[in-house]
Amino acid sequence: NAGVMQNPRHLVRRRGQEARLRCSPMKGHSHVYWYRQLPEEGLKFMVYLQKENIIDESGMPKERFSAEFPKEGPSILRIQQVVRGDSAAYFCASSPIKTQGHEQFFGPGTRLTVL
Amino acid sequence: AQRVTQPEKLLSVFKGAPVELKCNYSYSGSPELFWYVQYSRQRLQLLLRHISRESIKGFTADLNKGETSFHLKKPFAQEEDSAMYYCALRFSGNTGKLIFGQGTTLQVKP
Repeated sequence: NAGVMQNPRHLVRRRGQEARLRCSPMKGHSHVYWYRQLPEEGLKFMVYLQKENIIDESGMPKERFSAEFPKEGPSILRIQQVVRGDSAAYFCASSPIKTQGHEQFFGPGTRLTVL
Repeated sequence: AQRVTQPEKLLSVFKGAPVELKCNYSYSGSPELFWYVQYSRQRLQLLLRHISRESIKGFTADLNKGETSFHLKKPFAQEEDSAMYYCALRFSGNTGKLIFGQGTTLQVKP
């Protein structure tokens, strides 16, 4: 089991462009979480998804950010019209079918730099 | 509001010295508390959780509900313990999201 995969590992965008971050959970995991880490801060929850459903998006900015986890393929975090303040490390975590009492396994993160 | 506080940004000790990384939380219900660790160039990984009451790599952490704390301790630090440590809280019965503290860098000097 290769663990949680994220790509790209580094992404550079100019202001106004779109950023797409991908997360492939561990095999057998159907729960995906996205977290953002701004410089000098801890990780902050953004969104929790199960296959084809957004369960909790209480941490997502109201505009420009969206997430999906389709039936087939990776989960995608999409940021439209990026601004400098979006520069951060974005981490994805996955857990098995039942979340309660189960560990979240983290990916290596995607470092987004907005020029 | 639910919050996790790690008051020390950096903790520097000598090899063999005791280590205590502080973590305080703010939550009115029954939380689950975790310590995650990130070694250099590696991904974030779970170190231990309070419900397991286990010792991992010599580290222990006791949940103190009266003081709302979950400090991480090790009696004798090793150089390989140098890493970033995050305390995290998960609400009971919720969707499983974690609230992280700001993190403490532990530096163990030879």
